[in-house]
Amino acid sequence: SQTIHQWPATLVQPVGSPLSLECTVEGTSNPNLYWYRQAAGRGLQLLFYSVGIGQISSEVPQNLSASRPQDRQFILSSKKLLLSDSGFYLCAWSTRGAYEQYFGPGTRLTVT
Amino acid sequence: AQSVTQPDIHITVSEGASLELRCNYSYGATPYLFWYVQSPGQGLQLLLKYFSGDTLVQGIKGFEAEFKRSQSSFNLRKPSVHWSDAAEYFCAVGTTSGTYKYIFGTGTRLKVLA
Repeated sequence: SQTIHQWPATLVQPVGSPLSLECTVEGTSNPNLYWYRQAAGRGLQLLFYSVGIGQISSEVPQNLSASRPQDRQFILSSKKLLLSDSGFYLCAWSTRGAYEQYFGPGTRLTVT
Repeated sequence: AQSVTQPDIHITVSEGASLELRCNYSYGATPYLFWYVQSPGQGLQLLLKYFSGDTLVQGIKGFEAEFKRSQSSFNLRKPSVHWSDAAEYFCAVGTTSGTYKYIFGTGTRLKVLA
């Protein structure tokens, strides 16, 4: 069966520090991968999606970037965090050519 | 443009009562529709989906949803709510851009009274 992991589970970082959140999927090949942000009291905002290694599409201009160095690994990064980057970050995957997305447990990021 | 509206931000029901969460979408063709549930501090779990065919779809945890094209709605229902159903519920529509992305509604937070 397929499993999706995210780490860390929680993170507290000062403004201006770098960020690296990792997501890995097991039990499937060539998945589509997605990064979402969920700000307090708001819905889910799609940040990035990827259909293959090195193929990243950005949905909104922002302080964040994403990379996919391996087929089942998706990384969310920032060089300098802003207060507005605080939120709950969710990674998701779907089978290539399918709509159903399956979500990881999320990372709670607090920028202080 | 495609959009999803969940008109109820908060809903409170008593345990054992029936539940209906509303979802309206804006879409030009037959949409792909989904309901997800999120417990506090957790990821999202897929409850059910509609692609085509029977307009009443059954999901996990005793939930069902009905697709009504004439009303552009995909409401989620449960005949008898359990305290463990307290969570946030998101409706989503799949986009047609070929990239298999979702547009999510803003969510409905369900509170269950004992």
